[in-house]
Amino acid sequence: DTGVSQDPRHKITKRGQNVTFRCDPISEHNRLYWYRQTLGQGPEFLTYFQNEAQLEKSRLLSDRFSAERPKGSFSTLEIQRTEQGDSAMYLCASTHKDRPKETQYFGPGTRLLVL
Amino acid sequence: AQSVAQPEDQVNVAEGNPLTVKCTYSVSGNPYLFWYVQYPNRGLQFLLKYITGDNLVKGSYGFEAEFNKSQTSFHLKKPSALVSDSALYFCAVRVYQTGANNLFFGTGTRLTVIP
Repeated sequence: DTGVSQDPRHKITKRGQNVTFRCDPISEHNRLYWYRQTLGQGPEFLTYFQNEAQLEKSRLLSDRFSAERPKGSFSTLEIQRTEQGDSAMYLCASTHKDRPKETQYFGPGTRLLVL
Repeated sequence: AQSVAQPEDQVNVAEGNPLTVKCTYSVSGNPYLFWYVQYPNRGLQFLLKYITGDNLVKGSYGFEAEFNKSQTSFHLKKPSALVSDSALYFCAVRVYQTGANNLFFGTGTRLTVIP
């Protein structure tokens, strides 16, 4: 399967704990996006990488959130001191930077539940 | 500012009947418009997109969408609905510019095809 993959698919944690999610984009896709989707809503943009550089962050991305893409391939999204309001589906998408009209392809998502 | 509206939370249609899922948009430039479908516990799957050219765009699984600039709409259509089309559908818009080029999503429309 050469699509976008995410791990884990599900995560249950207690309030105050830290969690980390991983995204592996499609090979050769150098743009990577993180979105968050809450129940009954469409996905909302969180942050964007071009290669290893994090070029844009939404105001939704509080100080407790940090994302990295150290080698320009896979990316991690960490949430520190989780809150119940962080419960959501976290989606990763990728596309090729030189093809601005290209489609963003999404992974299956990581569903986070904070108790 | 960019935004997308999906005025119907729920659309019910009988199997074999034509279906329409509505989407209107608001952007400050030329829009790139997308439809994605989401099945339970899965990520977003790309259906079709409008970039330029013919206003009628054909996509996966027999779906098509019509771009109407004067009405700022991009309704999703299918001539004959299948039970397997039952899912959550998202319209999204993007304006090409320097920067993230992230997608702005509507709140989604749940399509139920009744056997």
